[in-house]
Amino acid sequence: EPEVTQTPSHQVTQMGQEVILRCVPISNHLYFYWYRQILGQKVEFLVSFYNNEISEKSEIFDDQFSVERPDGSNFTLKIRSTKLEDSAMYFCASSEVGQGLSGNTIYFGEGSWLTVV
Amino acid sequence: QKEVEQDPGPLSVPEGAIVSLNCTYSNSAFQYFMWYRQYSRKGPELLMYTYSSGNKEDGRFTAQVDKSSKYISLFIRDSQPSDSATYLCALLTETSYDKVIFGPGTSLSVIP
Repeated sequence: EPEVTQTPSHQVTQMGQEVILRCVPISNHLYFYWYRQILGQKVEFLVSFYNNEISEKSEIFDDQFSVERPDGSNFTLKIRSTKLEDSAMYFCASSEVGQGLSGNTIYFGEGSWLTVV
Repeated sequence: QKEVEQDPGPLSVPEGAIVSLNCTYSNSAFQYFMWYRQYSRKGPELLMYTYSSGNKEDGRFTAQVDKSSKYISLFIRDSQPSDSATYLCALLTETSYDKVIFGPGTSLSVIP
């Protein structure tokens, strides 16, 4: 079964450093997402991306964050000047069509665990 | 009132039991309702997707939506130890259809 792959699985970074989390969505999918889950808390939407631009973003996704699709296969999340509170599991996801369409399935990767020290 | 609420559990049941998981929400703009299963340290996995009020069945799983009460349920029949996971309800509005709002999840443990 096709899957969303994420790297790294775990990254430890110093506060103030920049981090890039990488994702390879499922190949025929057109919609890409980043979510995060702080330990013990709920999964939170960060951003959705379609047709090489952000289609929607949450209040969490401020100027510290950016996303990019640098080539035909990768989708990245960059976090600039990391803070302690950025420590979380970051999930990449992809779907064939937009979430609101009936029967659509969004596939999540296994996550990248970011620890900021 | 929080946007989406679930009893966090943990809920512990014997193998073979019928499990009932519930979720309430406050925003009547939510029109799409989903249930995800999340194993420890893994990404969420979609189980059920419904649009309207009523029941939807898929194998051992039944999703129930009552929009008038803003209440959704997931029933698991003949529960198995492999069903032990956290179950997340997730909702979407028609206008903000990329932004899935997740509930905090209910932890389920099925004891052999």
